[in-house]
Amino acid sequence: DAGVIQSPRHEVTEMGQEVTLRCKPISGHNSLFWYRQTMMRGLELLIYFNNNVPIDDSGMPEDRFSAKMPNASFSTLKIQPSEPRDSAVYFCASSPRGGAANTGELFFGEGSRLTVL
Amino acid sequence: KQEVTQIPAALSVPEGENLVLNCSFTDSAIYNLQWFRQDPGKGLTSLLLIQSSQREQTSGRLNASLDKSSGRSTLYIAASQPGDSATYLCAVRPLIQGAQKLVFGQGTRLTINP
Repeated sequence: DAGVIQSPRHEVTEMGQEVTLRCKPISGHNSLFWYRQTMMRGLELLIYFNNNVPIDDSGMPEDRFSAKMPNASFSTLKIQPSEPRDSAVYFCASSPRGGAANTGELFFGEGSRLTVL
Repeated sequence: KQEVTQIPAALSVPEGENLVLNCSFTDSAIYNLQWFRQDPGKGLTSLLLIQSSQREQTSGRLNASLDKSSGRSTLYIAASQPGDSATYLCAVRPLIQGAQKLVFGQGTRLTINP
């Protein structure tokens, strides 16, 4: 079975440019999470969706960050304009939700490593 | 605010030893606790998940325990192997209605020396 798929795996861009990160969750999972990982701050939740609806975006650092989930199989995280301090690894994760059989286990993608020069 | 702490930050042991990684959390109102493994440059792989009503979970050489009242979890690795070298993270899901966000510790970087 395919896991969570993220693209691109690596992105190097210049300050001020727009960055779009993409995620395809595991089929059948209806919760999707965007995390950011840095050495200084560890893993931070940016936003999560249930059934394509944003539930909690309190972790989104600034208005420069936005996330969408137009359907159950696709999500984007956009940074515009990008800044050097946005350099990090961005992870997408998905989870089944609801029902006695669902444990709430979280499955991560391989991450997108962003470098803003 | 829930906080998760993992001590030590790094651990190096010889191959074959049994070892314990520690995780503590400040608020005992949790839905579950999950242990992950992260290899360099890779994503997180789920190892074990313990529901709040459970005391432990086992998978192969791994055993995770949970003591909610004291805010502690341990990950026991038996007969360690060089392939176990990775960063291990624990994460708790707070017991707040509608909340699914996990709170992560900073991880323990484990090195198994051949």
